[in-house]
Amino acid sequence: NAGVTQTPKFQVLKTGQSMTLQCAQDMNHNSMYWYRQDPGMGLRLIYYSASEGTTDKGEVPNGYNVSRLNKREFSLRLESAAPSQTSVYFCASSEHLQINEKLFFGSGTQLSVL
Amino acid sequence: GENVEQHPSTLSVQEGDSAVIKCTYSDSASNYFPWYKQELGKRPQLIIDIRSNVGEKKDQRIAVTLNKTAKHFSLHITETQPEDSAVYFCAARDSSYKLIFGSGTRLLVRP
Repeated sequence: NAGVTQTPKFQVLKTGQSMTLQCAQDMNHNSMYWYRQDPGMGLRLIYYSASEGTTDKGEVPNGYNVSRLNKREFSLRLESAAPSQTSVYFCASSEHLQINEKLFFGSGTQLSVL
Repeated sequence: GENVEQHPSTLSVQEGDSAVIKCTYSDSASNYFPWYKQELGKRPQLIIDIRSNVGEKKDQRIAVTLNKTAKHFSLHITETQPEDSAVYFCAARDSSYKLIFGSGTRLLVRP
């Protein structure tokens, strides 16, 4: 099992460009999450999907959209990238939001917006 | 919403000494408190967790304590080793089941 797979690993964008970060898990988990990690600020939740067909805002959703394409896949879209969105993005999954909270993280995407 | 504060932001200890990292949370309804370790350039991984019906939990050299009244919990690492050097994150699960993380502690274990 690969666990949680994110693509791409690195990306450089110009201000105003758009892109989609892809995430897939092969553990049959119900819940999936997108976090961003900035120096000195820990991991902040952007959006999450408790189960297939549902998505909810986290702590810092502005400037992002998400799609839970199916049970395996959860994508994050930046419609018009801004320098403030320069960060490391982690996708994560858990068996169930309410019952089994252990998060399994992907390897991260380092995004730079110039 | 839930707010988690973590201290210190950096911690340097001599190999073999103990390390303690402390976190406070704001939502008295929070009932699950995990700790994640992130080695340089790697993904965060769960190392230990505690639920609100337990005051202390140990796993070999690491332990977590919880004080619900004061709304704080701590990670204790004994007999530190160089491979313990990493960034450690505490987290609390809020009333809507989301995990809210602290800002992280960079632990350096000096050989």
